[in-house]
This record gives sequence, structure tokens and C-alpha cells, in this order.
Amino acid sequence: GESVGLHLPTLSVQEGDNSIINCAYSNSASDYFIWYKQESGKGPQFIIDIRSNMDKRQGQRVTVLLNKTVKHLSLQIAATQPGDSAVYFCAENYSGNTPLVFGKGTRLSVIA
Amino acid sequence: GAVVSQHPSRVICKSGTSVKIECRSLDFQATTMFWYRQFPKKSLMLMATSNEGSKATYEQGVEKDKFLINHASLTLSTLTVTSAHPEDSSFYICSAIDGKGASEQYFGPGTRLTVT
Repeated sequence: GESVGLHLPTLSVQEGDNSIINCAYSNSASDYFIWYKQESGKGPQFIIDIRSNMDKRQGQRVTVLLNKTVKHLSLQIAATQPGDSAVYFCAENYSGNTPLVFGKGTRLSVIA
Repeated sequence: GAVVSQHPSRVICKSGTSVKIECRSLDFQATTMFWYRQFPKKSLMLMATSNEGSKATYEQGVEKDKFLINHASLTLSTLTVTSAHPEDSSFYICSAIDGKGASEQYFGPGTRLTVT
């Protein structure tokens, strides 16, 4: 089924610390997962993606971990900066060209 | 990366009027575009899938006669909110898939609709 939007949970992190944002996805058949960052009044911005044949993928300051057994996805941000403050959404789909199903989102607040 | 634009970025209209929102892929051809709406502090909810040259596929609960979608070319999809009401006020976001079969969806910057 679809992930339904709820009021956003908030994660507050000290500048320079690492952030971990978690997401539980809904469809065990999903094979493509993406993390997006959304700033206020803007569209989602692609951060990093991972396919179901991997369990970890690293980018610049970001790492995505996938645990298919428990349908869990996480985004790790190293050395969090004030510019990282935003809402983060995980999204999933099957075979790439189907609509994305978005998770409920987490607001990251970086304390300077 | 690929760019998707939306126009207008903000629009205010009166109840009962219609408003058109455009979604354009600027540097690629998009055979498929998606329309989402997002209420404050909520996640993105898919409204419809727009395929070039064919009728849009609407999600359950989305009125196709109220939210008219036209995907007349490989670079343009439009969403028209007809007979708008205050409850239609929302943030509307489109995304597009590169027709070359890439998995990544490129999102537009969104359109803030306020119905008074």
C-alpha cells in the first residue's frame, strides 16, 4: 500500500555531528529507492539512490543503507551543516518508470 | 542534470475559476510525467500519471474532471484545476522521466496555488 503523509517528525542535530534519518518503506516488491531533500517552497531535490541488489551506497557526505529484510532505509549525513536543514523524504518504486511512493518525511534541523 | 520547470511558481485565484499549471522538461524528452500535490507539513501524494499522447491515469480519489491533465508534447504537461475551491489550495509538483528509460525522476520547483 501507499505510505500516507503524517505530521513530520523532527530531528535536531548539532552542526558538525552526523545525522541519521530513517524510513520504513511499504512495498516488498520495490527495487529502487531514493532520498530527496526538500527546502521550504521548493520541489524535491535528488540526493542519492540505491537499487535493491545493494545494501549500501555512498555519495559525497551521504550514505544510504538498505535493509530489505525489515524494509528499512536510512540516510546518513556526515558533518551536518546548516545548509542541510530541510525535510528529507525517502521514496520507492518498482522498475524505475512507475510513480514514486513517498514516505512521510523527516524535518532535519541543524543547530549552529 | 536534467531540468524541469513549472509555471507559474505562485498563483492566487478566486473560487470558481480555473487555473492552468505548466510542467516542462527543458533539456530532455519526457514520455511520462507525474503530478503530485503536497499539503503543508505533509508528504507528496501522487495525483496522476501523464503519458504523452494518451489519457492520464488518475489515482483513486482524484477527480479527473476537476484536475484536467494534458500531455500534448514530449516536453510539456499541463494540469488545469477547474472550478477551484479553497480546499484545492496546495503545492502542486510535477516530475518527469527521461524517455531514454532512465530511472531517475526529475522534479519541478512546484507551484503554490491559493484559492480565495
